[in-house]
Order: sequence, then C-alpha cells, then structure tokens
Amino acid sequence: DAGVTQTPRHEVAEKGQTIILKCEPVSGHNDLFWYRQTKIQGLELLSYFRSKSLMEDGGAFKDRFKAEMLNSSFSTLKIQPTEPKDSAVYLCASSGDISNERLFFGHGTKLSVL
Amino acid sequence: GDSVTQTEGQVTVSESKSLIINCTYSATSIGYPNLFWYVRYPGEGLQLLLKVITAGQKGSSRGFEATYNKEATSFHLQKASVQESDSAVYYCALSATNMGYKLTFGTGTSLLVDP
Repeated sequence: DAGVTQTPRHEVAEKGQTIILKCEPVSGHNDLFWYRQTKIQGLELLSYFRSKSLMEDGGAFKDRFKAEMLNSSFSTLKIQPTEPKDSAVYLCASSGDISNERLFFGHGTKLSVL
Repeated sequence: GDSVTQTEGQVTVSESKSLIINCTYSATSIGYPNLFWYVRYPGEGLQLLLKVITAGQKGSSRGFEATYNKEATSFHLQKASVQESDSAVYYCALSATNMGYKLTFGTGTSLLVDP
C-alpha cells in the first residue's frame, strides 16, 4: 500500500544553494499539500494543489519557495536560494476527500542549511 | 490567532494502564473548529487517528476516544488500556470546516508505553 513518498529523507545544504524536494502522493488523490514544520512555528502551509492546479501558495513563502506539480503523481518543492532559517522538516501530504479532513502525510524531509 | 496547546511533551505509561493526553484550543478566528488527533508511529508518516466536527460529540479509533468539549475548549485523548504498540507521537489539531488542510497543530506529545 503506497502512501505518500518523500525524497530525500535528509538534506544538508550550504547557504545560497538550490535544493529540490520531491513528493509522490497517494495514487488517486487529487489534492496535494506542502508544509514546513518547526518547533516554534508549528505546521505552516507552503502550497496547495488540486488536480495539479495551484490553489494556494502560502503567501509569505513566495519569494524563494516554488512548488510545482508536473503530473498527478509527482510534485517538487524548490528552495532557491536556501538560508539557515529554512532549516526545518518539510512535509508533503495528499488527500482524496473534498473537505480535506483526512490527510495522508509522508515521512518528511529534514533540511539543514549551514 | 488560533492555537492548540498540549501541555505534556512526553508521557510514559505502563502497558494496560489508562491514558489521558491533554489538549486545549483557542479558535479566535473560527467559530466552531473541526478537531483532530493525528499520530506518528515510529518510522511512519503522520496519519489521522480521529476527528470530531460537532461540539459535544465523541470520536473513537483504535481504542482511543476524544470528546469535543466546547465549553472547556478541550479535546483530550483517552484510552482505557494502552499497549506497547501505541507508543508514538500524538498531535492535537484544529481547522475550519471544509478546510482540513489548514491545520493548526499542537506541539505533540510523545507517548512511551512500558511493557
């Protein structure tokens, strides 16, 4: 049973680098979400796609964060250029119900920016 | 803004004992939030444990229960008899109706069940 798959599990980047995180949602799910999770800020929504169309882009994250969904089974989150404050766990989730009240999350990618 | 408070960062309980994980919320921008418990088992991604969208109702799953208490603004998670396999991190969360993806999470409670 394939859940949400995120790669890589860990990423270490130098300040100023470009990194790309990948996500494969649960097969058949129309909605895909990217979140950032930190102890201080908790869970913050970065992007929301419905049927590959960008529905929300998490306002404050527009400048250096770009999520794309090239097809229904694959999404990327690009951070360019990275800054130390971007160090966090990045979670991808998908949903198959229209109210999005049951999300399926990946393991997350732990990003460390030096 | 909205917030969810989990006062215990870590809880240790002996197997077969009862459990309560506390959760209180503040929903200043949402009149009647939907309430959730998500769980992360070791080596797995976050997954929904239970949800309740109506005040006064109780949700249950895998032996866990939580009651939406609007007066006390609480949504405590309880289980009468825990098992070692319940060891995990539990997150209380809220959202507005039909916006279950805009979750406000608590900081999480790590449960360790001693065999």
